Amino acid sequence: EADIYQTPRYLVIGTGKKITLECSQTMGHDKMYWYQQDPGMELHLIHYSYGVNSTEKGDLSSESTVSRIRTEHFPLTLESARPSHTSQYLCASSESGGRGRTEAFFGQGTRLTVV
Amino acid sequence: AQSVSQHNHHVILSEAASLELGCNYSYGGTVNLFWYVQYPGQHLQLLLKYFSGDPLVKGIKGFEAEFIKSKFSFNLRKPSVQWSDTAEYFCAVLGSQGNLIFGKGTKLSVKP
Repeated sequence: EADIYQTPRYLVIGTGKKITLECSQTMGHDKMYWYQQDPGMELHLIHYSYGVNSTEKGDLSSESTVSRIRTEHFPLTLESARPSHTSQYLCASSESGGRGRTEAFFGQGTRLTVV
Repeated sequence: AQSVSQHNHHVILSEAASLELGCNYSYGGTVNLFWYVQYPGQHLQLLLKYFSGDPLVKGIKGFEAEFIKSKFSFNLRKPSVQWSDTAEYFCAVLGSQGNLIFGKGTKLSVKP
């Protein structure tokens, strides 16, 4: 069982609201990731972090922002939610480097609906 | 650009049938390959992974995958599926930034 947690699991929110999706892991992993997944589509990387105070944008452009103030915590924020942000958001973490140590562990995801 | 292609969007099988899900990748460097599974309502879990060595990799729950470098393929197989294998299966390659690059996934439905 992976020790990575996302809250909330489901969120329905009105347009224009600010939201923060929480992600925490207790495995001490340096690397953390946010993926966006739409039905029938591949997971797209939107943000990643190699450690505290490190954040980078991923392949898919996103209006969301992230922060990494603590190793275990990697929240994602949308300042003003729009219907186009409706999607599933998956958080993941992995150890740094080393052969056989790059397996990623995933949270259960947050399914966001913006109405 | 690195990419992963999964050939089948939805596969429907009867119990005890054999399974093969296709996966091709485009990546010129050293490849690290993965198959993840997502059971209904659950998080993505690692089925198996390939980093080096024996190209035939055995994973959990009777799954295996074969890395064929010349074909840029990493197909997932299981000789006899069960109803409990109903899930979505994702092939992934480790990208240059250390992140996973996923295919679109294959939904497997196993009829009892």
